[in-house]
Amino acid sequence: AQTVTQSQPEMSVQEAETVTLSCTYDTSESDYYLFWYKQPPSRQMILVIRQEAYKQQNATENRFSVNFQKAAKSFSLKISDSQLGDAAMYFCAYRSALYGKLTFGQGTILTVHP
Amino acid sequence: DSGVTQTPKHLITATGQRVTLRCSPRSGDLSVYWYQQSLDQGLQFLIQYYNGEERAKGNILERFSAQQFPDLHSELNLSSLELGDSALYFCASSPTGENTGELFFGEGSRLTVL
Repeated sequence: AQTVTQSQPEMSVQEAETVTLSCTYDTSESDYYLFWYKQPPSRQMILVIRQEAYKQQNATENRFSVNFQKAAKSFSLKISDSQLGDAAMYFCAYRSALYGKLTFGQGTILTVHP
Repeated sequence: DSGVTQTPKHLITATGQRVTLRCSPRSGDLSVYWYQQSLDQGLQFLIQYYNGEERAKGNILERFSAQQFPDLHSELNLSSLELGDSALYFCASSPTGENTGELFFGEGSRLTVL
C-alpha cells in the first residue's frame, strides 16, 4: 500500500519570505500523480499544484513550485514571496496512475507572520 | 466552486442516532469518493463508488454504509453514532476520461455528535 509522510507538523515563515514543506512517499508503482492541497480555516480542499511522475520537469504555479525527486520518493513544496493568505494546512497526496483513491499525508500547518 | 455539492453543511446530533450525508458529483463524473477528517487530522479514505458499484473500501466502520444511485449522487449513512464520529466528511469526484489525476472536493459536511 502506498503511504505519504509529512514530517513537519508545523512550519512558520515571515511574509515575503520563502518556505519549503517536505513530503516523502512510498510506492512500488512507476507511474502516479502527486499533489499538494491547501486547506484554509474554511476547511475547503484547494488544489495548489500537481505533478505527473513521468514528467521530469518540476511543476510550477505562480509562487508555488515543487522539487520532485522520483528516485528518492520526495516531493517538496516551495512557496515564494509568502503571503498572509497562504496560512493554512497543507496536505501532500498520492494517486496511482491506475486512478482510485487519493492517499494523504498528515498535513503541515503553515503560519505566516506579518 | 468545484462543482461537487454536499449537504448538509453542518449537522448536530446525539449519540446512538443515524444520519445521512449526501453528495452530488460534478456533472458527468462517475466516480465518487468519501473521506473522513477528524479534528486536526489528515483525510482518511472511507469508500469509492464508480457508476453505482463499490470500487474500493478503506477504513470504513461497519456502522457506516454508502451507496451511489443511478443519477450518480451518493449517500453516506452513519448509524449508532459515537462521540468519536464527530468529523468533517468530504465527498470528491473524478472525471470519467481522466487526464489530470485530480479529485474535485466538495466543501464537506461537518458532523457533531453530542
